[in-house]
Amino acid sequence: DAGITQSPRHKVTETGTPVTLRCHQTENHRYMYWYRQDPGHGLRLIHYSYGVKDTDKGEVSDGYSVSRSKTEDFLLTLESATSSQTSVYFCATVAGDRNEQFFGPGTRLTVL
Amino acid sequence: AQSVTQLDSQVPVFEEAPVELRCNYSSSVSVYLFWYVQYPNQGLQLLLKYLSGSTLVKGINGFEAEFNKSQTSFHLRKPSVHISDTAEYFCAVSEAGGSYIPTFGRGTSLIVHP
Repeated sequence: DAGITQSPRHKVTETGTPVTLRCHQTENHRYMYWYRQDPGHGLRLIHYSYGVKDTDKGEVSDGYSVSRSKTEDFLLTLESATSSQTSVYFCATVAGDRNEQFFGPGTRLTVL
Repeated sequence: AQSVTQLDSQVPVFEEAPVELRCNYSSSVSVYLFWYVQYPNQGLQLLLKYLSGSTLVKGINGFEAEFNKSQTSFHLRKPSVHISDTAEYFCAVSEAGGSYIPTFGRGTSLIVHP
């Protein structure tokens, strides 16, 4: 358990509004990730970070931005939410020496 | 680039029966392979992983998987399932020794009936 928390756990918002999801970890892991999970698509990588202020895009990054100003926090921002961004969002970290990912509990986002 | 195919989206099985969840991968380099489990309304947790060495890998909760390089497969098995094994199972692959950016399959829903 890498002590990963996500906030909020549930959010309902309206189309066009900005939304920020927060991921916090307590294990000082270098890598952090944001995924979205949708039925029939499994987990798809949105963005990841390999250190403070070091981030890169994943396969479904359009409409999302991220920031990492501290090792323990990784923020995901939807600049202008759309209904297609309704999903469950998971944060993850990796213990590099064990090649194992640890996942947070998820945030269920509904965009009306 | 790498990819993962989980051949079954849903696998129904009766309690105490054996089960196999299939996973095939594609990669031009050596790989690490993983199975994760997701119980309802929870995040994913690691079941088992293959990094190197013995091709038969044992994990938690009585699951095991076998790495078959020639068939590019990493199928997950359990000889006798319980109701509590009902969950979503994800296979994942990452480049061995590279940046840890795994690719996940679409998942297999294991449904155990009493």
